[in-house]
Amino acid sequence: AQTVTQSQPEMSVQEAETVTLSCTYDTSESNYYLFWYKQPPSRQMILVIRQEAYKQQNATENRFSVNFQKAAKSFSLKISDSQLGDTAMYFCAFMKPFNAGNNRKLIWGLGTSLAVNP
Amino acid sequence: GAVVSQHPSRVICKSGTSVKIECRSLDFQATTMFWYRQFPKKSLMLMATSNEGSKATYEQGVEKDKFLINHASLTLSTLTVTSAHPEDSSFYICSARGAGLAAETQYFGPGTRLLVL
Repeated sequence: AQTVTQSQPEMSVQEAETVTLSCTYDTSESNYYLFWYKQPPSRQMILVIRQEAYKQQNATENRFSVNFQKAAKSFSLKISDSQLGDTAMYFCAFMKPFNAGNNRKLIWGLGTSLAVNP
Repeated sequence: GAVVSQHPSRVICKSGTSVKIECRSLDFQATTMFWYRQFPKKSLMLMATSNEGSKATYEQGVEKDKFLINHASLTLSTLTVTSAHPEDSSFYICSARGAGLAAETQYFGPGTRLLVL
């Protein structure tokens, strides 16, 4: 069975600084998807970034980028130029690929609470 | 794109009554929808997965007769909490996934806060 581990329950960073959130996972699959979702105080779950395991290039979305190390099963999220609006819970998640069927589901980490301080 | 709505956003009900929560995909066809429950400062707990036109698949420990899920169309799924009890009070979130390339990402509704008195 797949598992996702986020070892940092809470983190804080100063506005405009850079912070990295860690995520490791365990799977025997060779192809899969990894996600970072953000849940601000409004509790709306927002997709931050997605990585396909078969792609060697790390995904980036503006100030958000990942360091995907497939052999190490590591998928960390880097937030550059942190903004107050980045304050949120961040969840790392794993999903099997399309050929695993319709009922494939997200396997979630426990989350990291990030506070961006002014 | 990929907007999912949920209604109501907040509901208070008396113990023993039933409550229905709607989840709609507004700009795509959701072949699969998911229902989650989330406790404060905790991760999401998957309750069930539903595919359009099929019976929902419930996770272990989730009572299917208590949490009725219907996915009658490609844009609408409903969760009905029957005979609600105070311990059912929680934050319920739905998500939806499309077909093809859109099948690789779940998009989430804003959630429904249920309080059972």
